Amino acid sequence: EPEVTQTPSHQVTQMGQEVILRCVPISNHLYFYWYRQILGQKVEFLVSFYNNEISEKSEIFDDQFSVERPDGSNFTLKIRSTKLEDSAMYFCASSVSGNDYGYTFGSGTRLTVV
Amino acid sequence: GENVEQHPSTLSVQEGDSAVIKCTYSDSASNYFPWYKQELGKGPQLIIDIRSNVGEKKDQRIAVTLNKTAKHFSLHITETQPEDSAVYFCAASKGNTPLVFGKGTRLSVIA
Repeated sequence: EPEVTQTPSHQVTQMGQEVILRCVPISNHLYFYWYRQILGQKVEFLVSFYNNEISEKSEIFDDQFSVERPDGSNFTLKIRSTKLEDSAMYFCASSVSGNDYGYTFGSGTRLTVV
Repeated sequence: GENVEQHPSTLSVQEGDSAVIKCTYSDSASNYFPWYKQELGKGPQLIIDIRSNVGEKKDQRIAVTLNKTAKHFSLHITETQPEDSAVYFCAASKGNTPLVFGKGTRLSVIA
C-alpha cells in the first residue's frame, strides 16, 4: 500500500535554529498538507499546497514557516527560527484530490526545541 | 471557521462491548466527515468517512452516522477488540477546505 514517508522521525534543535522537515507524498497525489500536533492536543492544520503554490494556510503558519516542493517528489516544511512552542509532532499528508477523498498521513516528525 | 468538538476525551470499554464517540461541527456547509485512528508513534489513518448526502455508513465492525440537522456525527465500534485501542479523531471539511480535527478520544479496550 502506498505510503507518505517523513524524515527524520525525531529532530532535536536549539531555539533559534532553522529546521527542515521532509516528506515524500504518494506519487499520484496532487494535494499536500502539513499539520502539527502538540502533545495531547488536536491535530492542527498548518498549510496546504497544490500546483506548486500554497492554496491555504492557517494563522499558525506565520513568516517563520515556509514550504517547498524542490524536486517533484519531496515536500518540505522549513521553520526558520525555531521557538520552544514549535515543539510538536509534524504530520505531512497528501491526497489525490482536494475534494476530500481522504488524506494519507505520514508517521510524523517529532520536533523538540530546547 | 469550522469548529469540531469531540466527546469523550477518554473511553474505556470491556472487550466485546461497543464504543461510541461523538462529534459536533459548527459550519453547516461542511460536507465531508472522516474518522482517523492514531496508534502510538504513527500518523492518523483513515478508517471510515461519510459525506453529507448519506446518513449512515458501515464497514464491518465500524459504522458512522451523520445528523445534518443537529450537526453531529458519531463513530460506532461493535465487538471491540484490544487492537481497537488507539486515539480516534473526527474531522470535518467542506469542498476544498482543509480538514478540521476534533481533540481526539483515547479508546482503551480492556481484555
